[in-house]
Amino acid sequence: KNEVEQSPQNLTAQEGEFITINCSYSVGISALHWLQQHPGGGIVSLFMLSSGKKKHGRLIATINIQEKHSSLHITASHPRDSAVYICAVPDSFQGAQKLVFGQGTRLTINP
Amino acid sequence: ETGVTQSPTHLIKTRGQQVTLRCSSQSGHNTVSWYQQALGQGPQFIFQYYREEENGRGNFPPRFSGLQFPNYSSELNVNALELDDSALYLCASTVQGFNDEQYFGPGTRLTVT
Repeated sequence: KNEVEQSPQNLTAQEGEFITINCSYSVGISALHWLQQHPGGGIVSLFMLSSGKKKHGRLIATINIQEKHSSLHITASHPRDSAVYICAVPDSFQGAQKLVFGQGTRLTINP
Repeated sequence: ETGVTQSPTHLIKTRGQQVTLRCSSQSGHNTVSWYQQALGQGPQFIFQYYREEENGRGNFPPRFSGLQFPNYSSELNVNALELDDSALYLCASTVQGFNDEQYFGPGTRLTVT
């Protein structure tokens, strides 16, 4: 069973700061997902990556498969980035592939 | 916009009642998974459907059941509601598996009183 740990659990920063959120998992995977959840519930997929680095706007995600570790970075953070960021990895369970989620990192960006 | 919709948005039920939640996936998304997210927790896997067949189930009792239809819609049914069933219920669809991008619906917030 894959276990996913995120850090930090809560992060408060000032607008413009560089943000890093970390994710570690216990079992080798083929792909890792970074998700964003705003208050009210809806989840949006930010990245799916299996190696190296991906960039989308001010968001950058990296993964080190050997170390079973991924990071999500936000450059020039903005109050609208305030949300819960969740990493998730695939895991097989009774014949089904399911996602196992980290507990999330609650990010608050103050103006 | 992910192209995945869920209904209703919010729902209040009484303990012991039954509820049906609905999810409409993108065309061509053969796999749909349902998750329960309690307040302050990460989502927990309920079950997955692939081409209208249940394809795996998490640690949820049989009173949680589902259906997937040929038109890429699906349902989650919960019988004999308990207070602990109060949560956000999310569906996520994808073309095939978890190495593909997941598309989440906005969720249904269920409150059981």
